[in-house]
Amino acid sequence: GQSLEQPSEVTAVEGAIVQINCTYQTSGFYGLSWYQQHDGGAPTFLSYNALDGLEETGRFSSFLSRSDSYGYLLLQELQMKDSASYFCAVRGLLLYNQGGKLIFGQGTELSVKP
Amino acid sequence: DAGITQSPRHKVTETGTPVTLRCHQTENHRYMYWYRQDPGHGLRLIHYSYGVKDTDKGEVSDGYSVSRSKTEDFLLTLESATSSQTSVYFCAIAWDSYSGNTIYFGEGSWLTVV
Repeated sequence: GQSLEQPSEVTAVEGAIVQINCTYQTSGFYGLSWYQQHDGGAPTFLSYNALDGLEETGRFSSFLSRSDSYGYLLLQELQMKDSASYFCAVRGLLLYNQGGKLIFGQGTELSVKP
Repeated sequence: DAGITQSPRHKVTETGTPVTLRCHQTENHRYMYWYRQDPGHGLRLIHYSYGVKDTDKGEVSDGYSVSRSKTEDFLLTLESATSSQTSVYFCAIAWDSYSGNTIYFGEGSWLTVV
């Protein structure tokens, strides 16, 4: 099976940097994804790590270390509009008969304060 | 716009009645998913489909059934709705079985079972 663990809440101030961690237990997966969800809205894709290392997309970066079963999302120059829930997710390997199955962590609620 | 629509967007129904939620896509994506989202539980996979007439169970499939008779439609049915199925339901679509950056979500269906 697969499970992902994230902190439930994180608080930071405008302009700061915040890191949201994701640890996982899985028999195999293709890569780690991150999604953002504002209250009442649909999750939207933020970043994806197919390989170990850092991926940068503007103010957002994501990191993956398969050897440590660990990843994180880094948000820089925080803005009030970044207040939202953030989810990490993995897709299973076909080898384990979970091809295409997309499993999410429970989400981290980020509050950005002035 | 990822070409994915859910219907109905909001529904109130009585305990014991059948309910069907529809997910419709115009993107010809092979993979489709149904999730439910509840406070403290994040996004939990109910069922998913990897092709026409090909479906598999997710984490919380009890009490739900699905059907996919054509590529563009994925139906989620609650045979006999219970109050525990009050939730927000999200449909998602994906082009391939492995990557994390090709997944799009519908706007959600709010279901209340009274």
